[in-house]
Amino acid sequence: GQQLNQSPQSMFIQEGEDVSMNCTSSSIFNTWLWYKQDPGEGPVLLIALYKAGELTSNGRLTAQFGITRKDSFLNISASIPSDVGIYFCAGTRNDYKLSFGAGTTVTVRA
Amino acid sequence: EAGVAQSPRYKIIEKRQSVAFWCNPISGHATLYWYQQILGQGPKLLIQFQNNGVVDDSQLPKDRFSAERLKGVDSTLKIQPAKLEDSAVYLCATGLAGREQYFGPGTRLTVT
Repeated sequence: GQQLNQSPQSMFIQEGEDVSMNCTSSSIFNTWLWYKQDPGEGPVLLIALYKAGELTSNGRLTAQFGITRKDSFLNISASIPSDVGIYFCAGTRNDYKLSFGAGTTVTVRA
Repeated sequence: EAGVAQSPRYKIIEKRQSVAFWCNPISGHATLYWYQQILGQGPKLLIQFQNNGVVDDSQLPKDRFSAERLKGVDSTLKIQPAKLEDSAVYLCATGLAGREQYFGPGTRLTVT
């Protein structure tokens, strides 16, 4: 699949903080998806984005589809302990194949 | 609505043995995917089915891996013979073509 560069690789945040992570690519994507994976479980879909410039929220999560179609970001507001996990960005091009980033590991300090 | 079901959840085998994984998709989802996730990495696509036909198996090591989806519903992924580097989590995902994919809990395979 196409290379997706996800950053930061890990973050260690204070409970109550707002955090942001992003995903970039040298190629244009038609869809951006954000997943969260807890230990021993499969990825769970958080937000799906289908249009350039689209801004979508799901509770305390907000994600945007970059206007260039080569990037996306995910914000988590007011972090809580259950936000711990690995967040993956993923994107599809015309072939509908899903390419994943390497993930951002989030650890919350209580 | 029930999610994607996978079994077994864990499997430990010795190298050169064979193993099979099973996936039951979300009802109505025509597209089914098998991914391999190595520790510390994102999932990597192995094979994609549309109904019971293979759409893409370019990343499937066909000398040892095989997959089928009979009647366009359940799917099985088999490894024979297994190698040490096959140790990973095998994820099944289903969805509607071109839309979001929903993942099962995965099968953690350890090859010793």
